[in-house]
Amino acid sequence: AQSVTQLGSHVSVSEGALVLLRCNYSSSVPPYLFWYVQYPNQGLQLLLKYTTGATLVKGINGFEAEFKKSETSFHLTKPSAHMSDAAEYFCAVSDNAGGTSYGKLTFGQGTILTVHP
Amino acid sequence: DSGVTQTPKHLITATGQRVTLRCSPRSGDLSVYWYQQSLDQGLQFLIQYYNGEERAKGNILERFSAQQFPDLHSELNLSSLELGDSALYFCASSAGLAGGLYEQYFGPGTRLTVT
Repeated sequence: AQSVTQLGSHVSVSEGALVLLRCNYSSSVPPYLFWYVQYPNQGLQLLLKYTTGATLVKGINGFEAEFKKSETSFHLTKPSAHMSDAAEYFCAVSDNAGGTSYGKLTFGQGTILTVHP
Repeated sequence: DSGVTQTPKHLITATGQRVTLRCSPRSGDLSVYWYQQSLDQGLQFLIQYYNGEERAKGNILERFSAQQFPDLHSELNLSSLELGDSALYFCASSAGLAGGLYEQYFGPGTRLTVT
């Protein structure tokens, strides 16, 4: 079974500061990894994903994440936070092709990011 | 706008009742996923359909059922509702099946309140 752990349910940063949201996963097969963002009263939007290949993945809005197999981690970073980044962020894992879960996502518990002026 | 539509946006009903949530996937997407988001359980996968057939099941209660119709829209039926069923229900769609190769696009959700 797959699982995702997001360290820290709340993260607070100042505008312009580095954003670091932590995610560790557990998977018995090579995983596909995702970060989604959820703004208040909205659905989830994909920020970035790792499937295969380059382990440093760039996404939208200046976010990036690095897949580290040895650490089973997929932490999300952004060099300089904006007020508009305030939202809830979810890390998720799914089976790769050949798995039987047909792409269902297993989510972490979410991290609420607050950005202070 | 993801292109996935869900109706209704909000639903308030009483315990013991039955409701139907509707999802229209993005044009051309064959796969539909249903997720439940609650404060206790977080975001959980319920069920997936691909081109009309059920393909994967998660932590879906027996009181819940779903189907995907020939026009590819999907409905999630929740019956004998309990207070604990109050949650945000998301539908997502993707073009295909192959794990994470196809991005899942999420709808805005239906907020269900059971009183």
